[in-house]
Amino acid sequence: DQQVKQNSPSLSVQEGRISILNCDYTNSMFDYFLWYKKYPAEGPTFLISISSIKDKNEDGRFTVFLNKSAKHLSLHIVPSQPGDSAVYFCAASAGNYGQNFVFGPGTRLSVLP
Amino acid sequence: NAGVTQTPKFRVLKTGQSMTLLCAQDMNHEYMYWYRQDPGMGLRLIHYSVGEGTTAKGEVPDGYNVSRLKKQNFLLGLESAAPSQTSVYFCASSYSQGTYSPLHFGNGTRLTVT
Repeated sequence: DQQVKQNSPSLSVQEGRISILNCDYTNSMFDYFLWYKKYPAEGPTFLISISSIKDKNEDGRFTVFLNKSAKHLSLHIVPSQPGDSAVYFCAASAGNYGQNFVFGPGTRLSVLP
Repeated sequence: NAGVTQTPKFRVLKTGQSMTLLCAQDMNHEYMYWYRQDPGMGLRLIHYSVGEGTTAKGEVPDGYNVSRLKKQNFLLGLESAAPSQTSVYFCASSYSQGTYSPLHFGNGTRLTVT
């Protein structure tokens, strides 16, 4: 049973518009969430994180929102750029319990020029 | 900055052969991890280490062994490769385990077992 789900395998967005990537989780013990970006033939690179004491975290064009009651988080990219085209992974951990990260299956984002 | 380095980048094995994947990190991180990535399944944890001389099983440890003889190195071994082990393998390291400490990944090893 997948504890971290990304129900959209792919997403296409026009350059300059907003990209919204979604992630749902089932384990209520999760208290730390990360987003990773992965280009082909490279390892995942850390993008942005949020802990459960917050509901929003912003870093430049990237904003992550956390809705604990719905067990849902989303990554917003505004404005989207062609260089943002990659696979995005959501990951979660129960940090206070020393649990390792659990990753979602990923969403492939294509930003069209 | 090297970060996390994995060798080799590619490997083809026949069923039953053995091999070792090497991971090295220069960030003085205590924690190191081996993941495999398969289509539609994200990254799954194979084994991890919380410090030099320690190892522990992750979500999918069967068919793999690991060793952490030096803090900066984490080795993943396949004693008798099987086609089900065809995958992309990623090594990662972190300052601490889980708690508010992102993972830093290497560029991966693509392994094909025929």
